[in-house]
Amino acid sequence: SQTIHQWPATLVQPVGSPLSLECTVEGTSNPNLYWYRQAAGRGLQLLFYSVGIGQISSEVPQNLSASRPQDRQFILSSKKLLLSDSGFYLCAWSVLGPGEQFFGPGTRLTVL
Amino acid sequence: TQLLEQSPQFLSIQEGENLTVYCNSSSVFSSLQWYRQEPGEGPVLLVTVVTGGEVKKLKRLTFQFGDARKDSSLHITAAQPGDTGLYLCAGALNYGGSQGNLIFGKGTKLSVKP
Repeated sequence: SQTIHQWPATLVQPVGSPLSLECTVEGTSNPNLYWYRQAAGRGLQLLFYSVGIGQISSEVPQNLSASRPQDRQFILSSKKLLLSDSGFYLCAWSVLGPGEQFFGPGTRLTVL
Repeated sequence: TQLLEQSPQFLSIQEGENLTVYCNSSSVFSSLQWYRQEPGEGPVLLVTVVTGGEVKKLKRLTFQFGDARKDSSLHITAAQPGDTGLYLCAGALNYGGSQGNLIFGKGTKLSVKP
């Protein structure tokens, strides 16, 4: 069966510090991968998606970047965090089919 | 810009009551998903509907996809405190496409009081 992991689960970082969030998927090959940010208890904003290694599409201009160094690894990064980067970050995967996406447990990022 | 509007945004009911959550758009979707999310966790997929007019049941939850595949509803019968959570609908615009991107509604926050 497929599983998706995210770490860390929570992170508190000062403004201006770098960021690296990691997402890995097990039990599937060549998945589409996604990074979302969710405002407090509300809908999801798609940040990046990837259809393959090294292929990244950005949905929203921002202070963040993403990379996919391996088939089942997706990384969200920033060189200098802003206060507005605080939020709940979710990674998801999907394969060709009816459009279902499966989410990881999320990372709660607080920038102080 | 594709939008998926959910209503109501907030719903607070007593245990045992029935409720319906709506998801509407002017876009036609190839499929529509419903998720439930608890605080501090990722959304969990409840159901996918694909065919216009399709109805799926999951215990006390009934999901319906509109005939034109532009809207959907989630009906919960005899709600229980365990149903509390954020319900999200999401529509897929390109079935089998290489991107598989979803359009998400803003969610309905349901609270069921014992």
